[in-house]
Amino acid sequence: NAGVTQTPKFRVLKTGQSMTLLCAQDMNHEYMYWYRQDPGMGLRLIHYSVGEGTTAKGEVPDGYNVSRLKKQNFLLGLESAAPSQTSVYFCASSPLAGAEGYQETQYFGPGTRLLVL
Amino acid sequence: DQQVKQNSPSLSVQEGRISILNCDYTNSMFDYFLWYKKYPAEGPTFLISISSIKDKNEDGRFTVFLNKSAKHLSLHIVPSQPGDSAVYFCAARARGAGSYQLTFGKGTKLSVIP
Repeated sequence: NAGVTQTPKFRVLKTGQSMTLLCAQDMNHEYMYWYRQDPGMGLRLIHYSVGEGTTAKGEVPDGYNVSRLKKQNFLLGLESAAPSQTSVYFCASSPLAGAEGYQETQYFGPGTRLLVL
Repeated sequence: DQQVKQNSPSLSVQEGRISILNCDYTNSMFDYFLWYKKYPAEGPTFLISISSIKDKNEDGRFTVFLNKSAKHLSLHIVPSQPGDSAVYFCAARARGAGSYQLTFGKGTKLSVIP
């Protein structure tokens, strides 16, 4: 049981380039999230998904797009990277309330460090 | 406006002593609170939580206290161990639509000195 995995672990982009961050979870969780963590800012929600085929905006969605084509995967896209998007990106997932073994928390991946030059 | 505040960016404690990490919140709709621990180069991991219907929850060396009237919660670690050195995030969940969303504080870096 790998939990939540993120690909890649580290990436350097030039301004204007595009990339996709991949998040995968093997816990059959309904909900998935993308956060960014910046120094002194804590974790801020970018986008989230409450189920396959659905996505919604979080606190800081501008400059990002997401897709949830399969229940186990949640993709975060940067169409035209900017230096302000230099950050550490965390994906998380959580189960539906009442599911077997349910615990009200989110399970986080190890993070993707992105540097935009 | 920050709804979850951790006003101490860092805290140093001697091994074996008590560590107390504080968190304040402003949104009265928050009804569930969580603490996460984060080591460098890793994702946050869940530590302990508390519902607003309780004022205390214990799990081994970790106890979380909730004071609803003051909109304040604290995490006590007794005794502190060097392995507890990490960044601790306080998070809160609001009742109602989107209740699966968490609002995080900025974190407090705990250093336990051997």
